[in-house]
Amino acid sequence: EAGVAQSPRYKIIEKRQSVAFWCNPISGHATLYWYQQILGQGPKLLIQFQNNGVVDDSQLPKDRFSAERLKGVDSTLKIQPAKLEDSAVYLCASSLGGGWGQETQYFGPGTRLLVL
Amino acid sequence: AQTVTQSQPEMSVQEAETVTLSCTYDTSENNYYLFWYKQPPSRQMILVIRQEAYKQQNATENRFSVNFQKAAKSFSLKISDSQLGDTAMYFCASLNAGNMLTFGGGTRLMVKP
Repeated sequence: EAGVAQSPRYKIIEKRQSVAFWCNPISGHATLYWYQQILGQGPKLLIQFQNNGVVDDSQLPKDRFSAERLKGVDSTLKIQPAKLEDSAVYLCASSLGGGWGQETQYFGPGTRLLVL
Repeated sequence: AQTVTQSQPEMSVQEAETVTLSCTYDTSENNYYLFWYKQPPSRQMILVIRQEAYKQQNATENRFSVNFQKAAKSFSLKISDSQLGDTAMYFCASLNAGNMLTFGGGTRLMVKP
C-alpha cells in the first residue's frame, strides 16, 4: 500500500515570495491533516479536512496561509507572502476518517521550507 | 485543551540495553488515544505504538512497550534490546474526540554501539 506522498521535498524561497506544497493521502483515507514542524519542536496542526470540508483550521494563519482539498483527495497548502518564521517542515498526514478508533494518522515525508 | 510534556530532551543508550522515555499529558476527556511516533533523521514520522485510554492492558509491539498510568496521566515508552536503527526523535501524542493530535516536544534518542 502506498503511503502519503508529498512534493516538493525541499524548497528555498525569498521572504515575501509565494510557495505551494502538495499532498496525496493514502488511498481511501477521508481525513487529511497539514502540520507545521519548526526545528526542535513537535508538529503543530494547521488544518484538518474531512473529505473536501474543513474540520478545524483554528491554528492556520489565514492572513498568509491557505489550503484546499477540492475533490476530497489531493490537497495543496499555500503560503503567500512567506515570512522568515515560516521556515519549517510541513507534514501531511491522513487517516481513515471512519470514526473513533480508526484515527491513527500516517505521515508523509514532509516538505522542508527555508525562507531567506 | 490537551497538553503533552516530554521532560527528557535527549537520551542515550548502549546497543542491546533497555531505555525508557517519559511522557505526561493532560486532558479533560474520558476517552482518548495515546501514541508514540518515531522520526528518524530522514524525517518520516512513523507510528511506533498506540494505547486506548479505556484499556487497562499496556500495549506491546515487539521490542516496544508502554507503561500507561491513567490516574497519573503518564505514558512512558520502553525500548528493549535497543538497536542502532532506533536512533531517532520520539514524540508522544494524544488524540481527542475531535481527532486532534497534540504532540509533545520530543526526545532525541541516540543508540550507541
